[in-house]
Amino acid sequence: GAVVSQHPSRVICKSGTSVKIECRSLDFQATTMFWYRQFPKKSLMLMATSNEGSKATYEQGVEKDKFLINHASLTLSTLTVTSAHPEDSSFYICSAFTGGDTEAFFGQGTRLTVV
Amino acid sequence: DQQVKQNSPSLSVQEGRISILNCDYTNSMFDYFLWYKKYPAEGPTFLISISSIKDKNEDGRFTVFLNKSAKHLSLHIVPSQPGDSAVYFCAASQDYGGATNKLIFGTGTLLAVQP
Repeated sequence: GAVVSQHPSRVICKSGTSVKIECRSLDFQATTMFWYRQFPKKSLMLMATSNEGSKATYEQGVEKDKFLINHASLTLSTLTVTSAHPEDSSFYICSAFTGGDTEAFFGQGTRLTVV
Repeated sequence: DQQVKQNSPSLSVQEGRISILNCDYTNSMFDYFLWYKKYPAEGPTFLISISSIKDKNEDGRFTVFLNKSAKHLSLHIVPSQPGDSAVYFCAASQDYGGATNKLIFGTGTLLAVQP
């Protein structure tokens, strides 16, 4: 099946710094990618829809200036957590659809810990 | 407002028996439903899906049932195997395959299959 690669898998950063997470579709082009966040024992919460060549669409309650999304090419979307704080510590997952497929393919996820 | 709900946070089943995972939704506009399996620190992987025009879809040991009038779906795993132990998320979408492709996830059910 299609492969979505997410990097890094784990990152620890200091409070106040920024962290960039990459999501790549390895063998297909994805005009749309999605970013999710999972809190412990909670659901996967959709944060934003990343559109290639245009601005991302954020879900209600998600801070645009806090979570910067860039979808510069058909195979790469990045999520930058700016001025990270401990409450941003979470598991972030991206997903993408291949053209015509009926299921999303997910990256491996990134465990962010802000200390 | 949780549009997709999995009311059982955990389920324990003996190997060889049937596992039944339940999911309820509130949005009558959802037209496509999916089940994902997730191991710790990994991205979800697709299991099985069903369109709202069907009431059953079967794939090997996995069967998904949809009751539109009750806004309820369930995933049956028969026979259950220890390797099935994971968190299972149901997800729903409106206009799946269309412009949005957004998935709304339930909170997950941790399945433990005892040898």
